[in-house]
Amino acid sequence: QQQVKQSPQSLIVQKGGIPIINCAYENTAFDYFPWYQQFPGKGPALLIAIRPDVSEKKEGRFTISFNKSAKQFSLHIMDSQPGDSATYFCAAAMDSSYKLIFGSGTRLLVRP
Amino acid sequence: NAGVTQTPKFQVLKTGQSMTLQCAQDMNHEYMSWYRQDPGMGLRLIHYSVGAGITDQGEVPNGYNVSRSTTEDFPLRLLSAAPSQTSVYFCASSALGTDYGYTFGSGTRLTVV
Repeated sequence: QQQVKQSPQSLIVQKGGIPIINCAYENTAFDYFPWYQQFPGKGPALLIAIRPDVSEKKEGRFTISFNKSAKQFSLHIMDSQPGDSATYFCAAAMDSSYKLIFGSGTRLLVRP
Repeated sequence: NAGVTQTPKFQVLKTGQSMTLQCAQDMNHEYMSWYRQDPGMGLRLIHYSVGAGITDQGEVPNGYNVSRSTTEDFPLRLLSAAPSQTSVYFCASSALGTDYGYTFGSGTRLTVV
């Protein structure tokens, strides 16, 4: 049973478009929600993260939206570029355990 | 500044063979973990450690052993490899008390035939 559900599995957008990746969780004890970016042949790298006390966080072209009541959060990439083509993972964790639980990943392709 | 170093990068094993995947970090991070990555299933936690001498199981621990004798090293042992263990394995580390700024290694691609 997957604790963090991610969709879509893959996504294709044109350059300049705004891809949106969604995640949902069940465990209300989760209190930290990061997004990781992974390029082929590399390990994942932290992109941006949010805690449940805020509804939105922006870092450059990347924005996390968080809906605590719906237990959902999403990643938006503004003005997407071909260099953003990668696999994106959402994740969730509890401060009490330090275990990071990942979603199944979204493969994003940004066409020139 | 090496970060998290995993060796080997590639390995082919025969069913029933044993091997150890090595992971070392030079950032004095207390927390270390092992994940496996399979298509369509994301990264699944195998084992983790919050410090030397302390280890615990993650989501998919069966068939794997770990130990943590030093802060720097966290090896993952496959005692009797099975084809179902064919995967890409990632080691990650983080300082406790921070916002989960996990640093991942570059991975070990393991094939069991």
